Amino acid sequence: DGGITQSPKYLFRKEGQNVTLSCEQNLNHDAMYWYRQDPGQGLRLIYYSQIVNDFQKGDIAEGYSVSREKKESFPLTVTSAQKNPTAFYLCASSWDRNSPLHFGNGTRLTVT
Amino acid sequence: GEDVEQSLFLSVREGDSSVINCTYTDSSSTYLYWYKQEPGAGLQLLTYIFSNMDMKQDQRLTVLLNKKDKHLSLRIADTQTGDSAIYFCAERGPGGYNKLIFGAGTRLAVHP
Repeated sequence: DGGITQSPKYLFRKEGQNVTLSCEQNLNHDAMYWYRQDPGQGLRLIYYSQIVNDFQKGDIAEGYSVSREKKESFPLTVTSAQKNPTAFYLCASSWDRNSPLHFGNGTRLTVT
Repeated sequence: GEDVEQSLFLSVREGDSSVINCTYTDSSSTYLYWYKQEPGAGLQLLTYIFSNMDMKQDQRLTVLLNKKDKHLSLRIADTQTGDSAIYFCAERGPGGYNKLIFGAGTRLAVHP
């Protein structure tokens, strides 16, 4: 079955540590995205990538970094510079920049 | 600026129709989407409508678009307990990439 796999489902870290969230897709989609979801709010775009080896900042990129070395993978690193990292993180992909987004099941990150 | 507004909560009786409303501000939006999110999960694409359409029907789902009033609605016929979830409206504006602006989501509760 094709889909988007995010791992782990739950992640706990101490303040000051960097942490990397995994996102893998086998849909052969060109574009991939990272969103952040906070309770009672809509999703906010962190980073997106339209093609391998290229990515762009979204609306809330500060404190985050990404890489896109392979078409199927788009890992997100939450750095210690992110002031409020506890949130639900959603990865998505689409065929191209004009197609609907398909989402993974998310990673809930808790930083204490 | 870009903004998407939704009411936060809707309660319906099982078997009735549900209507979830959304308003958006960007008149140049090309596509409008409805996503469903169940607890602890990612977003599932339900349906979407292109901005030159007024209505789209897909089984129990009917989407109505009023471009003049920038109003989008999702009607779910014969609502079931399995429809209980958070429903997100999102608009996609023009531009070089697939940027979606999400509303805060409407929590639908279905009771017997």
